[in-house]
Amino acid sequence: GAVVSQHPSWVICKSGTSVKIECRSLDFQATTMFWYRQFPKQSLMLMATSNEGSKATYEQGVEKDKFLINHASLTLSTLTVTSAHPEDSSFYICSALQGRSTGELFFGEGSRLTVL
Amino acid sequence: AQSVAQPEDQVNVAEGNPLTVKCTYSVSGNPYLFWYVQYPNRGLQFLLKYITGDNLVKGSYGFEAEFNKSQTSFHLKKPSALVSDSALYFCAVRDGGAGTALIFGKGTTLSVSS
Repeated sequence: GAVVSQHPSWVICKSGTSVKIECRSLDFQATTMFWYRQFPKQSLMLMATSNEGSKATYEQGVEKDKFLINHASLTLSTLTVTSAHPEDSSFYICSALQGRSTGELFFGEGSRLTVL
Repeated sequence: AQSVAQPEDQVNVAEGNPLTVKCTYSVSGNPYLFWYVQYPNRGLQFLLKYITGDNLVKGSYGFEAEFNKSQTSFHLKKPSALVSDSALYFCAVRDGGAGTALIFGKGTTLSVSS
């Protein structure tokens, strides 16, 4: 299957700093990517839909100024957690849509963010 | 809105025995249903999906799922469980048409004992 790469896999940062997480589709072009957040032993919660060349669509309750999403190319979407706080500590997973007609979604390996 | 429910937080089964992980769905229109597996600190691995066609869907690693429209269920099954099947399993439904996100159930932890 297609490969989606996330970087970094693990990141520890101080409270108040910003952290950028990258999501890349390695062998296909993805006009649409999705960002999810997962708390320990819980389900994945959709945060936002990222469309190449346009503004992201955020789910209700997700602060768009807190979680900045940029989808500047067909193979890269980034999530920046701005002014991170301990409550932002979580597992962030991206998924990329391969082919709008088939709707096959491929997931990255996730990024574990710990804010001290 | 589309949704799926996984009624069991945990399923325990002995190695070699059949396993079932339950999922029910609530959708408007045709359901597009998926099963994924997640190992600790890893992303999701695709197991199988139902879009249309045969109600019995065969997927990766010997897993299968049966789509039951009358019971609005899409239970995941495997005839003979392996210890390595122990993981967190998610049922998911597409939020809309092609190109939309997946909405996940809360997940079921499968524990296979040797």
